[in-house]
Amino acid sequence: NAGVTQTPKFQVLKTGQSMTLQCAQDMNHEYMSWYRQDPGMGLRLIHYSVGAGITDQGEVPNGYNVSRSTTEDFPLRLLSAAPSQTSVYFCASKDVGGTETQYFGPGTRLLVL
Amino acid sequence: RKEVEQDPGPFNVPEGATVAFNCTYSNSASQSFFWYRQDCRKEPKLLMSVYSSGNEDGRFTAQLNRASQYISLLIRDSKLSDSATYLCVVNMNGDFNKFYFGSGTKLNVKP
Repeated sequence: NAGVTQTPKFQVLKTGQSMTLQCAQDMNHEYMSWYRQDPGMGLRLIHYSVGAGITDQGEVPNGYNVSRSTTEDFPLRLLSAAPSQTSVYFCASKDVGGTETQYFGPGTRLLVL
Repeated sequence: RKEVEQDPGPFNVPEGATVAFNCTYSNSASQSFFWYRQDCRKEPKLLMSVYSSGNEDGRFTAQLNRASQYISLLIRDSKLSDSATYLCVVNMNGDFNKFYFGSGTKLNVKP
């Protein structure tokens, strides 16, 4: 099992560019989520999904889109990158339920100039 | 007010010491509580879930105090390998799909 994988590991964008951060998991988890982590701050939930075709907003959804066409994949799209979106992005997955462990991918470091 | 608050530290302790961290949460409807560990520039990994009755896993003990709305983590006999940032995680408003992370408490265990 590869667990949760994320690509790319690093990315530099110019303001206004768009890009998609990829996330995939091979644990057949229904729940997947995206977080961003900024220096000195905790992880903040951007969007999440409880199954294929179902997505919902988290704490900081503005500027990001998601879709879930398969159980395995949960891409995060930045529509028009801004310097405020410079961050480390983590994808996570878990079984549905309140006490289940979230498994995180290794993260994508994004710099927006 | 932040939903989840932690002392950022760092806590600098010698090997073999006992150290405790607290984490306070603001929403009384929260029902799921966790401690995650994050090494520098790595992804968070679950250390332990926190149950109402408290739970222990080897050198680690977690407690929940619902009345005062805080959870704690106790590490006994600290090892160099325990050096990391410890993140407190609480679900939002009783919603099992949304989680708040604290900003973390940094622990440095010295030889």
